[in-house]
Amino acid sequence: QKEVEQNSGPLSVPEGAIASLNCTYSDRGSQSFFWYRQYSGKSPELIMSIYSNGDKEDGRFTAQLNKASQYVSLLIRDSQPSDSATYLCAYSGAGSYQLTFGKGTKLSVIP
Amino acid sequence: SAVISQKPSRDICQRGTSLTIQCQVDSQVTMMFWYRQQPGQSLTLIATANQGSEATYESGFVIDKFPISRPNLTFSTLTVSNMSPEDSSIYLCSAFGPAGKEEQYFGPGTRLTVT
Repeated sequence: QKEVEQNSGPLSVPEGAIASLNCTYSDRGSQSFFWYRQYSGKSPELIMSIYSNGDKEDGRFTAQLNKASQYVSLLIRDSQPSDSATYLCAYSGAGSYQLTFGKGTKLSVIP
Repeated sequence: SAVISQKPSRDICQRGTSLTIQCQVDSQVTMMFWYRQQPGQSLTLIATANQGSEATYESGFVIDKFPISRPNLTFSTLTVSNMSPEDSSIYLCSAFGPAGKEEQYFGPGTRLTVT
């Protein structure tokens, strides 16, 4: 059974700190990995995608993927109160567009 | 990225009735999906909306309860039939696109309350 594990949180970090969000997955056939941000009452917003091992940086966000360890993470540098949201990890398997989502980690950035 | 709209944004319905949710994408996309997100939960895939053919349903979801149409590459509908309070949820349409990008975007969702 395909599973995605995330710490539900809440994860609290002070403003300006680095927030680290982690995700593990069970399907070794997973190919593509995504991080979505979801504000309360809103739909998920894609913030990062990563397809190969290593790091991918986009502004204050860095996604890290380690397929051997079946682990993907998201780092948010210089965290802002506006980053407070639930972060959902998701992946799709080889040849599939279907996403499997984790339950999400709630992040709270304290001013 | 594809821009996705949904109608209605929310509705309150009586049990036993049906509601059709519309999803419109601003560009042609290969794949469209319907998800459900129950309060405090993550997203659960209901089905893949296939253009010109029957939708592909995930385990636990059936066509009689959630009929789906996709008449072209930019539009799809999801009907929630014979509703019960357990169907109260947010229903989300998503699309893969544009072509060549493996990224999935979501519509704003439809918040359904069944009384």
